[in-house]
Amino acid sequence: QVQLQESGPGLVKPSETLSLTCTVSGVSMSSITYYWGWIRQPPGKGLEWIGNFYYSGNTYNPSLKSRVTISADASKNQFSLELRSVTAADTAVYFCARRWGSSSRRDIWGQGTMVTVSS
Amino acid sequence: QSALTQPASVSGSPGQSITISCTGTNSDVGGYDYVSWYQQHPGKAPRLMIYDVSNRPSGVSSRFSGSKSGNTASLTISGLQAEDEADYYCNSYTTTYTWVFGGGTRLTVL
Repeated sequence: QVQLQESGPGLVKPSETLSLTCTVSGVSMSSITYYWGWIRQPPGKGLEWIGNFYYSGNTYNPSLKSRVTISADASKNQFSLELRSVTAADTAVYFCARRWGSSSRRDIWGQGTMVTVSS
Repeated sequence: QSALTQPASVSGSPGQSITISCTGTNSDVGGYDYVSWYQQHPGKAPRLMIYDVSNRPSGVSSRFSGSKSGNTASLTISGLQAEDEADYYCNSYTTTYTWVFGGGTRLTVL
């Protein structure tokens, strides 16, 4: 059974870097079948795609691209999100998810982790 | 990158059918058959209901169906049930190799 689990600090100060990790179980991240991504949801608002990790290269939301890095550690079966220079507008629930290649099939999601940006 | 356009809310009575639209452009919905739909109950993670316009994952009720015409994708739920009350989001691939979500639709079962 494939599962994803987000982890990281629940509180980040303005101007600092938000760092989250998604631990994957039940499937190897090294498989070229899947893309691994991050999506966020501000309180009371809709979903926003942040970006994807794939072995041949990453893609990011243009509105966040200058501040975002997604990386992976295949030995730990984990991938990570870094969002730099955060503001209150980055306060959200952050989800990690798996998507099948050549498809819109984003079928496995983590439960989500709430990150608040505040001093 | 603008969000796809969805109605803010729709409603229906148990047993009825409803359709949620998702309107984009030639650069996203109209350009690819990579449209998916997600159901989200309060405090929960999104759940995949439809992918690649009209495909249903195993475990999803056949009451859920998807389609697309031009720049607009649609999710239809037939035989509405109380547990269908949730938020629904569409998601599409774009010409810039990125993904964009719709603003979300709140479904109320009367």
